[in-house]
Amino acid sequence: DIQLTQSPSFLSASVGDRVTITCRASQGISSYLAWYQQKPGKAPKLLIYAASTLQSGVPSRFSGSGSGTEFTLTISSLQPEDFATYYCQQLNSYPPHTFGQGTKLEIK
Amino acid sequence: EVQLVESGGGLVQPGRSLRLSCAASGFTFDDYAMHWVRQAPGKGLEWVSGISWNSGSIGYADSVKGRFTISRDNAKNSLYLQMNSLRAEDTALYYCAKGLGGSWYRAAFDIWGQGTMVTVSS
Repeated sequence: DIQLTQSPSFLSASVGDRVTITCRASQGISSYLAWYQQKPGKAPKLLIYAASTLQSGVPSRFSGSGSGTEFTLTISSLQPEDFATYYCQQLNSYPPHTFGQGTKLEIK
Repeated sequence: EVQLVESGGGLVQPGRSLRLSCAASGFTFDDYAMHWVRQAPGKGLEWVSGISWNSGSIGYADSVKGRFTISRDNAKNSLYLQMNSLRAEDTALYYCAKGLGGSWYRAAFDIWGQGTMVTVSS
């Protein structure tokens, strides 16, 4: 089975900071990777799909890159509403749609 | 407004069954794959099952295969999850989610419901 490992698991940052979260797959998954944001008590929200395609309505400060086994989610300038937990998801290999363990982004 | 509303959750004893429903509105339901994703209290996300637009292709996580059955009724804009032989480890918030395309495979989930809680306990 493919494993997704996100790093870091916890991240403390300030408003205005540039933040990068990494997602590593145990096997190559081409560009079949998505990123989601989840706030406490809320459903996840799709941010990025196909590794680098910004979902409609998502602010341009969010960007994704990578292919194969290593992927990154970057927030160029943190806003107060960005403090949340972020998950990557692989969509390529069986079992499909597995998620990373999550990265909790907290205010410093 | 695009919306997914789950229902059917509750407290159930181990070994018993439960059926979840998801009512969709605001989009052409029979154009898209649909999924169930769960989240145990304080834990991460786990994909449970997905179904293609026409029910022609279905997938399950290994953890629920043989116990859970996904289905849809396009005439009613509804998605279902029949859960049998429930275990304590099935306790979670169950989300219904819409796929970006018609296939349940290789496409992210762009719309999510607010979830329905399932608690398996004696």
